[in-house]
Amino acid sequence: GNSVTQMEGPVTLSEEAFLTINCTYTATGYPSLFWYVQYPGEGLQLLLKATKADDKGSNKGFEATYRKETTSFHLEKGSVQVSDSAVYFCALWRNTGKLIFGQGTTLQVKP
Amino acid sequence: EAGVTQFPSHSVIEKGQTVTLRCDPISGHDNLYWYRRVMGKEIKFLLHFVKESKQDESGMPNNRFLAERTGGTYSTLKVQPAELEDSGVYFCASSSILAGGPHEQFFGPGTRLTVL
Repeated sequence: GNSVTQMEGPVTLSEEAFLTINCTYTATGYPSLFWYVQYPGEGLQLLLKATKADDKGSNKGFEATYRKETTSFHLEKGSVQVSDSAVYFCALWRNTGKLIFGQGTTLQVKP
Repeated sequence: EAGVTQFPSHSVIEKGQTVTLRCDPISGHDNLYWYRRVMGKEIKFLLHFVKESKQDESGMPNNRFLAERTGGTYSTLKVQPAELEDSGVYFCASSSILAGGPHEQFFGPGTRLTVL
């Protein structure tokens, strides 16, 4: 079946450090891939998406590239800020209506 | 334009009681979804409405959970009787073919349910 696996957290970084949160998926065909973010006290927000292989999604300095050959969609940011502290969820959509999420990765950025 | 809203934001009930969660989707969105995150695990799908019809309820854990969407607007999710393992954050999302497509789901802030 379809599934998403994220690296376990929490991830603790200093401000301006480089961020990578790994995400791999299992799916038939060509799913759409997403990163959602949940800031403290808020709901889920779509951060970025990619709908086909080799697409790069980007937003707010974050990037992720849809790699079909490695079934991955790793989230990266070159220089994190304290305000990036949140829970990040990788997800896929496969023409079934529902999103399938990973377990979430908590990021804490210290000044 | 208002986003997806959920009520209440928090609910604390005792085992065996009944709780009803409400979701108001973005106006005009035909698709409405319920998800749940339990104890820091992954967010799991519960069910999907298209207008007032249940398109997919494969994620509903058991018959203590009842979801409705009368008139195809807001939706309610009732848990009766609640058990300890029902504690978690319940998210609602909506989407529209005309606004990003069915895969671009807009989420509400969630309802945190605690069953004691």
